[in-house]
Formats: sequence, structure tokens, C-alpha cells
Amino acid sequence: DAGVIQSPRHEVTEMGQEVTLRCKPISGHDYLFWYRQTMMRGLELLIYFNNNVPIDDSGMPEDRFSAKMPNASFSTLKIQPSEPRDSAVYFCASSYLGYGYTFGSGTRLTVV
Amino acid sequence: DQQVKQNSPSLSVQEGRISILNCDYTNSMFDYFLWYKKYPAEGPTFLISISSIKDKNEDGRFTVFLNKSAKHLSLHIVPSQPGDSAVYFCAASAGTSGTYKYIFGTGTRLKVLA
Repeated sequence: DAGVIQSPRHEVTEMGQEVTLRCKPISGHDYLFWYRQTMMRGLELLIYFNNNVPIDDSGMPEDRFSAKMPNASFSTLKIQPSEPRDSAVYFCASSYLGYGYTFGSGTRLTVV
Repeated sequence: DQQVKQNSPSLSVQEGRISILNCDYTNSMFDYFLWYKKYPAEGPTFLISISSIKDKNEDGRFTVFLNKSAKHLSLHIVPSQPGDSAVYFCAASAGTSGTYKYIFGTGTRLKVLA
């Protein structure tokens, strides 16, 4: 298995632009998680899905953030409009039955 | 409010010596704890875990200790090797309550000096 695949690896965008981060979980995994890593807060859970259904989005910082999982093999995290304080590394992780997360390599987002 | 805290942002240890990384938590519902290791430009990878019914779990050079009364866990690496240099994240979950989200700490950067 190729593991959890995230794209792009790096994204530089201007403030106010829309940003879409993508994730392909491991086949057969029924949980998908989006995390954000910052120096101040470490790995912060944004949202997670079970069987493509959002279960807990309490970590989504603002309405500017949205996430979807249209099918078992694809998820997106969208920021619109983006702001400089959104600059961070965004990780996607998947798991089977909620245990043993496998993380992707992350997307480093820079908003200038 | 940080429910999982790693109060030491960094730690340097000589090769061959013991590394001890600490983690504190505040939520008494947490019953499953993990350590993840992260190298630069990579995602975190699972290292070791412990259930709240145990107070120690060992895997090779890595041992995790859990003190439920103090809401504290620690990761011991013996002997430390240069390849252990990475950021270590402590995580916790309340799995038996039906939630499977891991709450992570802010990480401790370990540097093992050759």
C-alpha cells in the first residue's frame, strides 16, 4: 500500500485566495483525520470522518475552513479566504476502527 | 486549553545514555496513550502505546510508563542513538467512551549527540 497520500506537498498562496488540500487515505480505512501542526499548539485536530461522515468538527478554527469526504478514497480541506495565520503544516491521517493512525507526509502551507 | 502537555520543547542527550520524555494530561477520561515520532518533512509515525489498565509497556529500547494518579506518562529510550533524533509527540484518547480522536501535545525535540 502507498500509505496516506497528500497533495500538494507545498503550497504558497496570497492572502485572500482559496486553498484546497487533498488526501487519499489507505484503502479499507474507515476513519480519516485532518490535523494542523504549529509550534504553539503542536498537532491540533481539525475534523474527523467515519465512513465518509463528519463526526467532530469542533477543531475547525473558523467558517473559513471546510472539509469534505465525498467517497472513501478522497478528502479535501479548503480554506477560503486564506490568511497568513493559516500558515502551518496540515496532516491527514487514516485508521481502521479508529486505532493506529497512519499519517501522510503533510502539506506545508504558506500564506503571504 | 491543552489537554495534553509536553512542557519540555527540547532535550539533548549523549549517545548511549537514557532519554526521558515527559507528558502530562488533564482529562481523566483518557484511557489510551501513544507516542509518535516525527522526522523533518515526514508525517508522524507510531512508536509505542499503553492502555490505562497497564502502568508499563516495553518495546525494545522504548518503554512507556503511565502514572494514572498523577496523570503523567513518560517515554524512556535506552540506549539513545543518533537516529532517535526527532520530534516526539505524546497523544491520548478516550476510546472506551466511543471517540477515537487522538489529542496530541506540542512535541519534544530530542537531539542525541554522537
